[in-house]
Amino acid sequence: NAGVTQTPKFQVLKTGQSMTLQCAQDMNHEYMSWYRQDPGMGLRLIHYSVGAGITDQGEVPNGYNVSRSTTEDFPLRLLSAAPSQTSVYFCASRRRLNTEAFFGQGTRLTVV
Amino acid sequence: EDQVTQSPEALRLQEGESSSLNCSYTVSGLRGLFWYRQDPGKGPEFLFTLYSAGEEKEKERLKATLTKKESFLHITAPKPEDSATYLCAVQAGSGNTPLVFGKGTRLSVIA
Repeated sequence: NAGVTQTPKFQVLKTGQSMTLQCAQDMNHEYMSWYRQDPGMGLRLIHYSVGAGITDQGEVPNGYNVSRSTTEDFPLRLLSAAPSQTSVYFCASRRRLNTEAFFGQGTRLTVV
Repeated sequence: EDQVTQSPEALRLQEGESSSLNCSYTVSGLRGLFWYRQDPGKGPEFLFTLYSAGEEKEKERLKATLTKKESFLHITAPKPEDSATYLCAVQAGSGNTPLVFGKGTRLSVIA
């Protein structure tokens, strides 16, 4: 099993560009989420999904969109990149709410 | 609002010097407390889940315990390879509330 796969691993964007961070899991988990991790701030939740077709906002959703058309995939879209979105992004999946989360290896994004 | 506070922020130990990391929480009905290890440039890796006060879990040199207000991660006779950031997260009891993470404790074990 691959677990949680994120692509790309590294990305540099110019301010105002848009892009999609990909996340796929092969564990048939219902629950998926996106976090950003910044020095001194810990992991902050951007968006999450409790199943296909259902998404909700987390702590820091502004500037990001998500969709969940299949159980496996949960892409994160940056609409118009800003330097404040420079961060490391992690996707995670869980079998159900009170079980452990499995994380991808992260995407390091730099916006210049 | 659900909150998780980890202390200390950073800890430096000599190899073999046992210690504990703390995770204190305030949540509306705990459904689970999770410990993760994160190495530089990697995603968090799951260590333990604790569900109720009094529960303990062990793995090699690590032992996690849980009370009604906090959890401890005890590290016995640590080795340099235990150096990492240790994260604590809680799942609250209401609806589809997602995991809430603490900011982590950065552990360095010196040979």
